[in-house]
Amino acid sequence: DTEVTQTPKHLVMGMTNKKSLKCEQHMGHRAMYWYKQKAKKPPELMFVYSYEKLSINESVPSRFSPECPNSSLLNLHLHALQPEDSALYLCASSQDRRTNQPQHFGDGTRLSIL
Amino acid sequence: RKEVEQDPGPFNVPEGATVAFNCTYSNSASQSFFWYRQDCRKEPKLLMSVYSSGNEDGRFTAQLNRASQYISLLIRDSKLSDSATYLCVVNMGSNYQLIWGAGTKLIIKP
Repeated sequence: DTEVTQTPKHLVMGMTNKKSLKCEQHMGHRAMYWYKQKAKKPPELMFVYSYEKLSINESVPSRFSPECPNSSLLNLHLHALQPEDSALYLCASSQDRRTNQPQHFGDGTRLSIL
Repeated sequence: RKEVEQDPGPFNVPEGATVAFNCTYSNSASQSFFWYRQDCRKEPKLLMSVYSSGNEDGRFTAQLNRASQYISLLIRDSKLSDSATYLCVVNMGSNYQLIWGAGTKLIIKP
């Protein structure tokens, strides 16, 4: 069982909808990440939060809006998505952003945009 | 040249055999290395970190060759459950960002 919990597991939404993805970890990790993964491709980094502050935004379109309410929670707010945004969205956490710290992943939200 | 390169496979291997695959990286300043496995439609799971002196975890052995800039993963006595995609991950050190290889698909056949 993963120690990083993501909800929902699946989400289908129209291009005009607003929805949010949620991620929670109780390992005391201070770095949290959002990734997007398309089929047969490796995960692509979207955002990095370190000590609840956004530290990396990989030029992600503004229709994706991350939020870190506290050290255990990470949200990804979605608005006006495009069909090409359909993918597996993965949340990960690590002890901190030091180079030798591995990341642990949640089991993802499979998102389909109609 | 890609920053992290892996043979995409698939590697088709009989059960019980030993299989090894490599991952090359371009930045000699890379500091941390990991192997993840990912099953179809599942999240990546950390298999092992790779240490400078090499490390072993049961049937799995990871090695780092800094001179030639590659890491390797050896699986002994392969099991059907080892079938997965194995992703090589390298931390380039400059901004703590992990660079992912495209993965090597392994299929263990009975």
